[in-house]
Amino acid sequence: GEDVEQSLFLSVREGDSSVINCTYTDSSSTYLYWYKQEPGAGLQLLTYIFSNMDMKQDQRLTVLLNKKDKHLSLRIADTQTGDSAIYFCAESPMDTGRRALTFGSGTRLQVQP
Amino acid sequence: DVKVTQSSRYLVKRTGEKVFLECVQDMDHENMFWYRQDPGLGLRLIYFSYDVKMKEKGDIPEGYSVSREKKERFSLILESASTNQTSMYLCASSGTASSYNSPLHFGNGTRLTVT
Repeated sequence: GEDVEQSLFLSVREGDSSVINCTYTDSSSTYLYWYKQEPGAGLQLLTYIFSNMDMKQDQRLTVLLNKKDKHLSLRIADTQTGDSAIYFCAESPMDTGRRALTFGSGTRLQVQP
Repeated sequence: DVKVTQSSRYLVKRTGEKVFLECVQDMDHENMFWYRQDPGLGLRLIYFSYDVKMKEKGDIPEGYSVSREKKERFSLILESASTNQTSMYLCASSGTASSYNSPLHFGNGTRLTVT
């Protein structure tokens, strides 16, 4: 079955760049997503990338996709304390009839002032 | 903006009780989902539904059932709650029935404690 893996924790200083990594196993994935979860809240879609793209940039966020290695990363430039949250990587598998996303375990980003 | 509303933020139930978790979305989305979130395990799919009265098992359906009588409402039912069902439950919805690539919109979650 599909599997999505992330490291559990990342700590950075305010103003530094953060890089959160994710690996996935389903080579037929068409879209890959990054979601953010702030304390006490549900998940909020941050950005996504289509599988035929290598990179997508959206303000402070850069998503890199290495389809050969099935590796996805999210870079946050000039990280702020408000970026402290759990970040989830997710893929949309092509399994017929399954319209749900498969999520990683989430990476808790701690931003130190 | 899509709004997915879960009826309770916190619930405390006793072992053996029947528990209903309710979720409503206001965007006429075809697809609705129930996930549970546990530390270190991420989100795991319990059930999903792609149409009224339709339901499909996810990865961990045991001990749960669902009901989708109306398009906007998707209920998760714990027939006989057990302590290992203590968790955060997240409801989500998505549109575009013909696409597998519609992003999910989440509610704020229900934290259920079974004692």
